[in-house]
Amino acid sequence: NAGVMQNPRHLVRRRGQEARLRCSPMKGHSHVYWYRQLPEEGLKFMVYLQKENIIDESGMPKERFSAEFPKEGPSILRIQQVVRGDSAAYFCASSPPDSPVYNEQFFGPGTRLTVL
Amino acid sequence: KNEVEQSPQNLTAQEGEFITINCSYSVGISALHWLQQHPGGGIVSLFMLSSGKKKHGRLIATINIQEKHSSLHITASHPRDSAVYICAVNTGTASKLTFGTGTRLQVTL
Repeated sequence: NAGVMQNPRHLVRRRGQEARLRCSPMKGHSHVYWYRQLPEEGLKFMVYLQKENIIDESGMPKERFSAEFPKEGPSILRIQQVVRGDSAAYFCASSPPDSPVYNEQFFGPGTRLTVL
Repeated sequence: KNEVEQSPQNLTAQEGEFITINCSYSVGISALHWLQQHPGGGIVSLFMLSSGKKKHGRLIATINIQEKHSSLHITASHPRDSAVYICAVNTGTASKLTFGTGTRLQVTL
């Protein structure tokens, strides 16, 4: 049973380009979370999704960032017109379909985004 | 003030020592998590607690709901325990995690 998969593991973009980060949850998991870790800072919540629904996006920057979790395929975190301040490690986590509050979250290996 | 505070921020220990990392939180929670982040960056979930105590191998996690405090203990520490240990909570009924800033542990021979 594969764990949470994220790709790419490393992504380099120039300012103004788009970044697409992918997350495939563990088999049977229907809840996906995206977290960001800025250099030398702690992890911060971005968005919580279930299939085809955004449940909580209170941690998402208002502009340039969007997330989706379609019926088929991985969850995507999209950053448009990247800036140097977007350079960070982006982690995805998943949990199973019963009460997510009491369930362990399983983390992917992260995508390290570098904006030149 | 952060909702989740950890201490110490940095910790150096010699192999074999007993280690304690503390986590205090200022909000109502439904669960508390201890995570380990390796030097390569990967994050592993160690424990999820809502009360009492859990043990896994050389690791022990305790939580005191009344005092809003949790501790992570490592017995007989080993250099492979060197990592950042992160405390995180589910606040209220929220599924998302709120994180402490982490404790960087270095265990030397």
